[in-house]
Amino acid sequence: AQSVTQPDIHITVSEGASLELRCNYSYGATPYLFWYVQSPGQGLQLLLKYFSGDTLVQGIKGFEAEFKRSQSSFNLRKPSVHWSDAAEYFCAVADGYNDMRFGAGTRLTVKP
Amino acid sequence: DSGVTQTPKHLITATGQRVTLRCSPRSGDLSVYWYQQSLDQGLQFLIHYYNGEERAKGNILERFSAQQFPDLHSELNLSSLELGDSALYFCASSATGQGLTNEKLFFGSGTQLSVL
Repeated sequence: AQSVTQPDIHITVSEGASLELRCNYSYGATPYLFWYVQSPGQGLQLLLKYFSGDTLVQGIKGFEAEFKRSQSSFNLRKPSVHWSDAAEYFCAVADGYNDMRFGAGTRLTVKP
Repeated sequence: DSGVTQTPKHLITATGQRVTLRCSPRSGDLSVYWYQQSLDQGLQFLIHYYNGEERAKGNILERFSAQQFPDLHSELNLSSLELGDSALYFCASSATGQGLTNEKLFFGSGTQLSVL
């Protein structure tokens, strides 16, 4: 079955700095990859997804992610972080139908 | 606001008890997914219902069951509760359940279950 690893449990960046959150997946076939964000007390919100095509995917809130098959990675990036980006971020891989597996999440703290 | 409503927001109960969590999907959505988020297991897929029928099962314990009613709301029943069942339970809905590649999941804000 598919699985996801997010190596960083907690990351702290300064406001205005760039951000990269790491995600590595394991899946035998073509992966369907997602990044979700969870703000405190809220459900998960989809930031972006990759199914096929261009390996650089643009999402909401200025986020982008790059799929690298050779590295089994799908890292999330943002050029300039805002204080409102502080949240928990989840990478997920799905079999395309029902079974979406989430990583353990990375908590982002933004310093003023 | 995702349009997915979960009640109650918080639930405190004792070991051995049974509880029911409720989820109302977005208007018109036919699919409901249930997820469990705990500190040690992370976010895990439990079960998927589409238009009243069970479509797929994930890591759902035998003590847990779910159903989706004709009005499309869903209930997750947790019985013989244990301390380890304490978690945040999310439901998500999607339009048709044709697959995660074809449509988006909308998550509710969850029910926080505390088993004491």
